[in-house]
Amino acid sequence: GAVVSQHPSWVICKSGTSVKIECRSLDFQATTMFWYRQFPKQSLMLMATSNEGSKATYEQGVEKDKFLINHASLTLSTLTVTSAHPEDSSFYICSATLSSYEQYFGPGTRLTVT
Amino acid sequence: GDSVTQMEGPVTLSEEAFLTINCTYTATGYPSLFWYVQYPGEGLQLLLKATKADDKGSNKGFEATYRKETTSFHLEKGSVQVSDSAVYFCALIKDQAGTALIFGKGTTLSVSS
Repeated sequence: GAVVSQHPSWVICKSGTSVKIECRSLDFQATTMFWYRQFPKQSLMLMATSNEGSKATYEQGVEKDKFLINHASLTLSTLTVTSAHPEDSSFYICSATLSSYEQYFGPGTRLTVT
Repeated sequence: GDSVTQMEGPVTLSEEAFLTINCTYTATGYPSLFWYVQYPGEGLQLLLKATKADDKGSNKGFEATYRKETTSFHLEKGSVQVSDSAVYFCALIKDQAGTALIFGKGTTLSVSS
C-alpha cells in the first residue's frame, strides 16, 4: 500500500527557534498533501492544503507566516514552525492523496517547545 | 459548516463483546464517509469507507452502513479483540477531489482479556 513518512517523529526545541517537519510519499506521487494538528484527546484539525508547485491554502485562524509550508516536489512537503512557542507544542500529521478519496497518513511528529 | 460527531469515549469492553461506536454527520451534498483507526504510536489507517447512501463498508470484522435518512455511519464489530484497542475516527469528505477530510473527535476503545 501507499506509504507516507514523516521526519522527525519527535522533536524538542527551545522557544524562539524554528523547526522543520518533512512529509514524504514514498511510493507514489501526491499532487496534494494536507497538514493537520492533533491536540491530546481531540480530533485532527486541518491546518493547510499543500499543492505541488503552488502556495499552500491555509485554514482560517492558522498563521501562514508562522507555519510555513513548501511543496517543492510531488513526493515532499515541509512544514516549518517559525519562532516556536510552548503553545505550538502538538502532534502534527500530514497526509497525501493518491486518488480522489484516498488519503494516506504519515505517522505524525510530536513537537515539544520548551 | 460540515461536521462529524462521534460518541464520547473511552469505550471499555471485554474481549468478544459487541462494539458500536456512533457517528453522525452534517454536510451539504453527498459526502463520502470513512472510519480511520489510530493504533498506539502509529499513524491513521483507513479502516473502511462508503461513498453513497446504503453502502456498507467492511474490513477486519468491522462494518458501517451509510444511512442518509439518519445521517449516520455507526461502526460495529460483533466480537472485539484486545488488538482492536485503538482510537477510532469517523470522517467525511465532500465529493470533490483533493478535499481534506473532516474528522470527528475520535473514540478511544480499550479491550481487556
